[in-house]
Amino acid sequence: NAGVTQTPKFQVLKTGQSMTLQCAQDMNHEYMSWYRQDPGMGLRLIHYSVGAGITDQGEVPNGYNVSRSTTEDFPLRLLSAAPSQTSVYFCASSPRAGVSYNEQFFGPGTRLTVL
Amino acid sequence: GQQVMQIPQYQHVQEGEDFTTYCNSSTTLSNIQWYKQRPGGHPVFLIQLVKSGEVKKQKRLTFQFGEAKKNSSLHITATQTTDVGTYFCAGPRYAGGTSYGKLTFGQGTILTVHP
Repeated sequence: NAGVTQTPKFQVLKTGQSMTLQCAQDMNHEYMSWYRQDPGMGLRLIHYSVGAGITDQGEVPNGYNVSRSTTEDFPLRLLSAAPSQTSVYFCASSPRAGVSYNEQFFGPGTRLTVL
Repeated sequence: GQQVMQIPQYQHVQEGEDFTTYCNSSTTLSNIQWYKQRPGGHPVFLIQLVKSGEVKKQKRLTFQFGEAKKNSSLHITATQTTDVGTYFCAGPRYAGGTSYGKLTFGQGTILTVHP
């Protein structure tokens, strides 16, 4: 199994550009989520999904859209990039949704810079 | 909302010294998880604690869950350079009924080990 994969690894955008960060997992996990990591802020949840066709907002959803058309894929879309979105983005998945035992499997991350 | 606070933010130790990081939640947690992130890497699951007062050991790492299930600690005995990284605690956010939709992370403790 490849686990959780993310592309691209690095990206530089100009303010106002849009792009999609890709995330895929091959473990048939129900639960998938997107986090951003900024210095001193820990990992903050952007959006999450408990299954195909079901998504919900996390702590910092503004400026981001998600969709979950398949169990495997959970792309994150930046609608109009802003310098405040410069961050490292992690996708994660868990075997089951809606339960308290949710060990997260993280992807390698995407380092995004918005100029 | 539920908050998970982690201290200290930074810890510098000499190789061979002990290290402890503490995690405190504003609400009672059903369980708590610990993750380690190596520099430039992604968070990796270490352990999950479920029971009040639970203590678990992994070689030189000792994890404790408080009696009230609102705090936790990670203690490393005789640190080594391989222990360098950021240690995060995380607790599931209760979403009603028996459902848990989100994982709230602490800010993390960055451990530096000087040889």
